[in-house]
Amino acid sequence: GAGVSQSPSNKVTEKGKDVELRCDPISGHTALYWYRQSLGQGLEFLIYFQGNSAPDKSGLPSDRFSAERTGGSVSTLTIQRTQQEDSAVYLCASSFQSGVAVSSYEQYFGPGTRLTVT
Amino acid sequence: AQSVSQHNHHVILSEAASLELGCNYSYGGTVNLFWYVQYPGQHLQLLLKYFSGDPLVKGIKGFEAEFIKSKFSFNLRKPSVQWSDTAEYFCAALGWNTDKLIFGTGTRLQVFP
Repeated sequence: GAGVSQSPSNKVTEKGKDVELRCDPISGHTALYWYRQSLGQGLEFLIYFQGNSAPDKSGLPSDRFSAERTGGSVSTLTIQRTQQEDSAVYLCASSFQSGVAVSSYEQYFGPGTRLTVT
Repeated sequence: AQSVSQHNHHVILSEAASLELGCNYSYGGTVNLFWYVQYPGQHLQLLLKYFSGDPLVKGIKGFEAEFIKSKFSFNLRKPSVQWSDTAEYFCAALGWNTDKLIFGTGTRLQVFP
């Protein structure tokens, strides 16, 4: 089966523009995560969706960042009025988390979207 | 707050050298631990994981990690590294009262032939 896919793979945008990044998780996976990977900063958690629960937005760095997950599947991360410090690789991951079977908590990562703000 | 620490930010080794990458977590209760690897230009992928049982966990490509509860550690080891092990390695933890993985900042490993 297909893995996690993300689009676009690369995005160059001008400062101040809005961007949308898309994630298609593995079919049937209930949980979806967004991370940001910056050089020397490791993996920074952004937002987490699990089933029909309210998303955990505790990692979003500012109100310019938002995400939604439609129909429990595809997710879109939106960055408004982009700034140069938003330049990073944005990673999406999904997992099938039953809540009981902890072995299901393995996250599968997509290839990422490299965002460059000029 | 729950956290994962990786103290080695950049490790440089020659082929055949032994490797140990440190990982410490701050959870007080039951914890599940993971090591992920990101080879240059590739996705993050799972290297190994610990849920329960034998604290010495074997992973892919000859890697292993040992869960030492008293030290809150889950160090990654490999007795003899290869040039192809050049990658970035991330430790992650899942606490008993959360369903969100927390990642460390990663360790960049460079292996020279």
